[in-house]
Amino acid sequence: EVQVLESGGGLVQPGGSLRLSCAASTLDFSSSSMVWVRQAPGKGLEWVSALSSRGDDAYYADSVKGRFTVSRDNSKNTLYLQLDSLRAEDTATYYCAKCGGNCLRNYFEYWGQGTLVTVSS
Amino acid sequence: DIQLTQSPSFLSASVGDRVTITCRASQGISSYLAWHQQKPGKAPKVLIYAASTLQSGVPSRFSGSGSGTEFTLTISSLQPEDFATYYCQQLNSYPFTFGPGTKVDIK
Repeated sequence: EVQVLESGGGLVQPGGSLRLSCAASTLDFSSSSMVWVRQAPGKGLEWVSALSSRGDDAYYADSVKGRFTVSRDNSKNTLYLQLDSLRAEDTATYYCAKCGGNCLRNYFEYWGQGTLVTVSS
Repeated sequence: DIQLTQSPSFLSASVGDRVTITCRASQGISSYLAWHQQKPGKAPKVLIYAASTLQSGVPSRFSGSGSGTEFTLTISSLQPEDFATYYCQQLNSYPFTFGPGTKVDIK
Protein backbone atom coordinates (compact mmCIF):
# COMPACT_ATOMS: atom_id res chain seq x y z
CA GLU A 1 0.00 0.00 0.00
CA VAL A 2 1.24 3.48 -0.88
CA GLN A 3 2.15 5.64 2.10
CA VAL A 4 2.53 9.40 2.06
CA LEU A 5 4.18 10.86 5.15
CA GLU A 6 4.61 14.55 5.93
CA SER A 7 7.07 16.00 8.45
CA GLY A 8 8.60 19.31 9.45
CA GLY A 9 5.67 21.09 11.05
CA GLY A 10 5.96 22.99 14.30
CA LEU A 11 5.66 26.33 16.05
CA VAL A 12 7.20 29.35 14.31
CA GLN A 13 7.02 33.07 14.92
CA PRO A 14 5.36 35.45 12.46
CA GLY A 15 7.79 36.31 9.70
CA GLY A 16 9.67 33.06 10.21
CA SER A 17 10.34 30.12 7.92
CA LEU A 18 9.78 26.38 7.91
CA ARG A 19 10.38 23.56 5.43
CA LEU A 20 7.91 20.72 5.15
CA SER A 21 8.79 17.35 3.66
CA CYS A 22 6.58 14.66 2.18
CA ALA A 23 7.95 11.17 1.57
CA ALA A 24 5.99 8.80 -0.64
CA SER A 25 6.53 5.05 -0.73
CA THR A 26 5.51 4.49 -4.32
CA LEU A 27 7.37 3.18 -7.35
CA ASP A 28 5.80 5.79 -9.64
CA PHE A 29 6.73 8.91 -7.61
CA SER A 30 8.90 10.31 -10.40
CA SER A 31 5.99 10.12 -12.86
CA SER A 32 3.38 11.61 -10.52
CA SER A 33 2.51 15.22 -9.90
CA MET A 34 2.14 16.15 -6.22
CA VAL A 35 0.16 18.73 -4.30
CA TRP A 36 -0.02 20.49 -0.94
CA VAL A 37 -3.37 21.23 0.69
CA ARG A 38 -3.93 22.91 4.05
CA GLN A 39 -6.70 23.05 6.59
CA ALA A 40 -6.90 25.76 9.23
CA PRO A 41 -8.27 24.60 12.60
CA GLY A 42 -12.00 23.94 12.31
CA LYS A 43 -12.08 25.08 8.67
CA GLY A 44 -12.32 23.50 5.24
CA LEU A 45 -9.69 22.37 2.76
CA GLU A 46 -7.59 24.87 0.81
CA TRP A 47 -5.34 23.86 -2.09
CA VAL A 48 -1.87 25.46 -1.69
CA SER A 49 0.46 24.27 -4.43
CA ALA A 50 1.08 21.68 -7.13
CA LEU A 51 4.27 20.47 -8.78
CA SER A 52 4.70 18.46 -11.96
CA SER A 53 6.44 15.09 -11.99
CA ARG A 54 9.76 16.53 -13.20
CA GLY A 55 9.51 19.60 -11.02
CA ASP A 56 9.45 22.03 -13.92
CA ASP A 57 5.90 23.31 -13.55
CA ALA A 58 4.76 24.75 -10.21
CA TYR A 59 1.42 26.30 -9.30
CA TYR A 60 0.41 28.26 -6.22
CA ALA A 61 -2.69 29.66 -4.56
CA ASP A 62 -2.73 33.46 -4.57
CA SER A 63 -2.67 33.42 -0.76
CA VAL A 64 0.85 31.90 -0.71
CA LYS A 65 2.36 33.05 -4.01
CA GLY A 66 5.74 34.70 -3.48
CA ARG A 67 6.08 33.30 0.05
CA PHE A 68 5.95 29.50 -0.42
CA THR A 69 8.13 27.42 -2.76
CA VAL A 70 7.45 23.84 -3.77
CA SER A 71 10.19 21.47 -4.94
CA ARG A 72 10.96 17.77 -5.16
CA ASP A 73 13.81 15.27 -5.17
CA ASN A 74 12.77 12.27 -7.23
CA SER A 75 15.88 10.33 -6.18
CA LYS A 76 14.51 10.46 -2.62
CA ASN A 77 10.79 10.16 -3.46
CA THR A 78 10.31 13.38 -1.49
CA LEU A 79 8.32 16.56 -2.01
CA TYR A 80 9.10 19.78 -0.15
CA LEU A 81 7.32 23.00 0.72
CA GLN A 82 9.41 25.96 1.84
CA LEU A 83 7.28 28.37 3.88
CA ASP A 84 8.71 31.89 4.25
CA SER A 85 7.32 35.16 5.65
CA LEU A 86 4.82 33.17 7.66
CA ARG A 87 1.66 34.81 8.97
CA ALA A 88 -0.82 33.84 11.65
CA GLU A 89 -3.32 32.93 8.92
CA ASP A 90 -0.92 30.25 7.65
CA THR A 91 -1.61 28.23 10.79
CA ALA A 92 -3.02 24.94 9.54
CA THR A 93 -2.48 21.24 9.08
CA TYR A 94 -0.60 20.80 5.82
CA TYR A 95 -1.39 17.71 3.78
CA CYS A 96 0.58 16.31 0.90
CA ALA A 97 -1.16 14.25 -1.77
CA LYS A 98 0.01 12.20 -4.72
CA CYS A 99 -1.91 12.61 -7.96
CA GLY A 100 -2.74 9.77 -10.30
CA GLY A 101 -0.26 10.96 -12.93
CA ASN A 102 -0.90 14.62 -13.65
CA CYS A 103 -3.11 16.47 -11.18
CA LEU A 104 -4.89 18.67 -13.70
CA ARG A 105 -8.05 17.00 -14.97
CA ASN A 106 -7.15 13.95 -12.92
CA TYR A 107 -7.39 13.26 -9.20
CA PHE A 108 -5.64 13.10 -5.82
CA GLU A 109 -4.88 9.42 -5.44
CA TYR A 110 -3.37 9.26 -1.94
CA TRP A 111 -3.33 11.74 0.95
CA GLY A 112 -0.78 11.94 3.73
CA GLN A 113 -1.74 12.21 7.38
CA GLY A 114 -0.74 15.88 7.67
CA THR A 115 1.69 18.00 9.66
CA LEU A 116 0.63 20.94 11.84
CA VAL A 117 2.15 24.39 11.36
CA THR A 118 1.42 26.96 14.05
CA VAL A 119 2.43 30.58 13.47
CA SER A 120 2.38 32.48 16.74
CA SER A 121 4.56 34.70 18.89
CA ASP B 1 -11.34 31.11 -9.97
CA ILE B 2 -14.03 28.43 -9.99
CA GLN B 3 -16.24 28.53 -6.91
CA LEU B 4 -17.95 25.41 -5.55
CA THR B 5 -21.03 25.43 -3.35
CA GLN B 6 -22.42 22.42 -1.50
CA SER B 7 -25.87 21.72 -0.15
CA PRO B 8 -26.80 21.02 2.47
CA SER B 9 -23.98 22.22 4.70
CA PHE B 10 -25.22 19.94 7.47
CA LEU B 11 -27.27 16.78 7.30
CA SER B 12 -28.65 14.66 10.10
CA ALA B 13 -29.48 11.09 9.09
CA SER B 14 -29.98 7.58 10.43
CA VAL B 15 -28.17 4.35 9.66
CA GLY B 16 -29.74 2.85 6.54
CA ASP B 17 -30.89 6.19 5.11
CA ARG B 18 -30.22 7.21 1.51
CA VAL B 19 -28.23 10.43 1.50
CA THR B 20 -27.62 12.86 -1.36
CA ILE B 21 -25.21 15.81 -1.35
CA THR B 22 -25.13 18.36 -4.17
CA CYS B 23 -22.15 20.33 -5.43
CA ARG B 24 -22.49 23.22 -7.88
CA ALA B 25 -19.67 24.89 -9.80
CA SER B 26 -19.65 28.56 -10.80
CA GLN B 27 -18.70 27.55 -14.35
CA GLY B 28 -18.58 24.34 -16.34
CA ILE B 29 -15.91 21.85 -15.26
CA SER B 30 -16.88 18.91 -17.50
CA SER B 31 -16.49 15.82 -15.30
CA TYR B 32 -13.36 16.95 -13.45
CA LEU B 33 -14.85 16.68 -10.00
CA ALA B 34 -13.84 14.55 -7.02
CA TRP B 35 -15.46 13.80 -3.67
CA HIS B 36 -13.42 13.42 -0.48
CA GLN B 37 -14.45 12.10 2.93
CA GLN B 38 -12.87 13.39 6.13
CA LYS B 39 -13.41 12.06 9.62
CA PRO B 40 -12.54 14.17 12.70
CA GLY B 41 -8.81 14.35 13.31
CA LYS B 42 -8.04 12.34 10.18
CA ALA B 43 -6.74 13.09 6.70
CA PRO B 44 -9.17 13.32 3.81
CA LYS B 45 -9.69 10.27 1.63
CA VAL B 46 -10.79 10.30 -1.99
CA LEU B 47 -14.05 8.46 -2.63
CA ILE B 48 -14.92 9.36 -6.21
CA TYR B 49 -13.11 11.07 -9.08
CA ALA B 50 -14.02 12.05 -12.61
CA ALA B 51 -17.49 12.72 -11.18
CA SER B 52 -18.53 9.06 -11.09
CA THR B 53 -15.47 6.76 -10.84
CA LEU B 54 -15.24 4.94 -7.54
CA GLN B 55 -11.73 4.93 -6.04
CA SER B 56 -10.35 1.45 -5.45
CA GLY B 57 -11.45 0.02 -2.10
CA VAL B 58 -14.39 2.40 -1.62
CA PRO B 59 -17.69 0.62 -0.88
CA SER B 60 -20.21 0.46 -3.71
CA ARG B 61 -22.87 2.22 -1.60
CA PHE B 62 -21.09 5.45 -2.62
CA SER B 63 -21.86 6.80 -6.08
CA GLY B 64 -21.37 10.06 -7.95
CA SER B 65 -23.03 11.66 -10.93
CA GLY B 66 -23.20 14.88 -12.89
CA SER B 67 -21.25 16.95 -15.34
CA GLY B 68 -20.88 20.60 -16.25
CA THR B 69 -21.95 22.57 -13.19
CA GLU B 70 -24.08 20.23 -11.09
CA PHE B 71 -22.93 17.08 -9.31
CA THR B 72 -24.22 14.73 -6.66
CA LEU B 73 -22.75 12.29 -4.19
CA THR B 74 -25.14 9.56 -3.04
CA ILE B 75 -24.76 7.09 -0.20
CA SER B 76 -27.36 4.40 -0.84
CA SER B 77 -27.54 3.06 2.72
CA LEU B 78 -25.73 5.09 5.36
CA GLN B 79 -23.44 3.07 7.62
CA PRO B 80 -22.03 4.07 11.04
CA GLU B 81 -18.56 4.59 9.55
CA ASP B 82 -19.95 7.09 7.00
CA PHE B 83 -20.58 9.84 9.52
CA ALA B 84 -18.02 12.42 8.40
CA THR B 85 -17.58 15.62 6.42
CA TYR B 86 -17.70 15.40 2.63
CA TYR B 87 -15.95 17.84 0.28
CA CYS B 88 -16.27 18.22 -3.47
CA GLN B 89 -13.25 19.45 -5.42
CA GLN B 90 -12.75 20.66 -8.97
CA LEU B 91 -9.62 19.72 -10.92
CA ASN B 92 -10.63 21.33 -14.22
CA SER B 93 -8.28 24.28 -13.83
CA TYR B 94 -5.87 25.92 -11.42
CA PRO B 95 -6.35 27.02 -8.72
CA PHE B 96 -7.96 23.80 -7.59
CA THR B 97 -10.87 24.57 -5.31
CA PHE B 98 -12.89 22.70 -2.73
CA GLY B 99 -16.48 23.10 -1.67
CA PRO B 100 -17.13 24.25 1.90
CA GLY B 101 -18.07 20.75 3.04
CA THR B 102 -21.18 18.85 4.14
CA LYS B 103 -21.17 17.39 7.62
CA VAL B 104 -23.19 14.19 7.95
CA ASP B 105 -24.20 13.57 11.53
CA ILE B 106 -26.14 10.91 13.38
CA LYS B 107 -29.84 11.59 13.88
